[in-house]
Formats: sequence, C-alpha cells, structure tokens
Amino acid sequence: DIQMTQSPSSLSASVGDSVTITCRASETISSYLNWYQQKPGKAPKLLIQNGFSLQGGVPSRFSGSGFGTHFTLTITSLQPEDFATYYCQQTYSTPRTFGQGTNLEIK
Amino acid sequence: QVQLVESGGGVVQPGRSLRLSCAASGFTFSSYAMHWVRQAPGKGLEWVAVISFDETNDYYADSVQGRFTISRDNSENTLFLHMNSLRAEDTAVYYCARPSATGTSGYYSGLDVWGQGTTVTVSS
Repeated sequence: DIQMTQSPSSLSASVGDSVTITCRASETISSYLNWYQQKPGKAPKLLIQNGFSLQGGVPSRFSGSGFGTHFTLTITSLQPEDFATYYCQQTYSTPRTFGQGTNLEIK
Repeated sequence: QVQLVESGGGVVQPGRSLRLSCAASGFTFSSYAMHWVRQAPGKGLEWVAVISFDETNDYYADSVQGRFTISRDNSENTLFLHMNSLRAEDTAVYYCARPSATGTSGYYSGLDVWGQGTTVTVSS
C-alpha cells in the first residue's frame, strides 16, 4: 500500500499569512493527488485534484503543486474560513490512501 | 441538486452485521464509480471501498477486506456497504462519496460530492 505522510501535523497561523502543507507518497503516484478541506462535523470538501487543478468555486488563494512523491498545498492570504483540517489523498492505486491530516489553527 | 444521503448507521455489538445505504439524486448515478470513506472519532479520513459504475469491479482497504462488501443498485440510485464481523475499531462516521469524473476515469479523480455521513458504533 502507498503511504501518504503530511507535514506538519498541525500549524498555527494568522489571518493574512501564507502557509504550505506538504504531502509525501511512499512511492510515485504521478500526479494523482487530491487535497481536501474538512471543518468540524462536516464532510470533506475537494479543493484540488490531479495535484494542481483547482475545483470550481475554490478561491484562487489555494494552489497545489508537485509530481511523483512530493506535493504541496499552499494557501496565501489566509482568511478566517480557511482554518480547518487538510488532507491529501492519492488515487494512483488501491487502497486510495489519505494522509493523516494537517490541522490549521488560528494563532 | 446533486445529493448523497447515507442511512443505516447505529449501535451494534461486536461480531454483528450492519448494512449502510447511500441514496443518490441529482446526477446520473449509473455513470459514476462510488466510494465509502470513514472517520473514527477524533481521527483522520480512511478510505474504505470503491465500486465501479457498472458493478464489475470493487476494491477494499486491507482493514475491511473479507468483512465488508460494497454493492449498488443502479435502478434505485443507491449504494450499499454490507459490514460483517464488526469490530470496535470499525466505529466511525461513514461517508459515501462520488468522484468528479464518470466511468473508469472516476477511479483516479478526486471525490467532489459527499454525503453528510452516518455514524456506526460497535460496542457491547
């Protein structure tokens, strides 16, 4: 199984800051990497798929990059609604593993 | 509108069985592979299973292989998760989710439509 490792596990930032979350795969997954945002008590929301494709309606302050085994999610000019938990997921092979999550908190 | 609604969760004793359902509406259900994803209390997301749009293929997480079966009824626009030999570690919110792409491309795309989740508690 492909293991997905996110870093950091938690992150504190202020409104207006920029942050980057990293996701590493234990083997190459080409660009089959998705990013989700989840708020407490809610279902996850797809932000980015295929490493960099922003979903419709997702603000442009979110961006994704990477290929192979190393991927990043960058959020610029953090807004209050961005404080949530973020997960990466690979869809290159089964099982479709998720990272352990990154909890983005307000400083 | 596009919607997924899960049902069937509850409290069940270890070793017993439970069947979850996911009713789909607002899109052509039979064109999409469908997934189950779960989240244990206070934990991260865990992918559980996927079934192809035409029911010909299904795949499972190692943790549920041989105990859980994913199925679908395209005539009723409904996805199922049959869970047998339940364990305490199966306690979680179970979400059904739809990929953004249809057909076999849906195996590789992100999950853009999610239900609200149904809670399964395995406890004696």
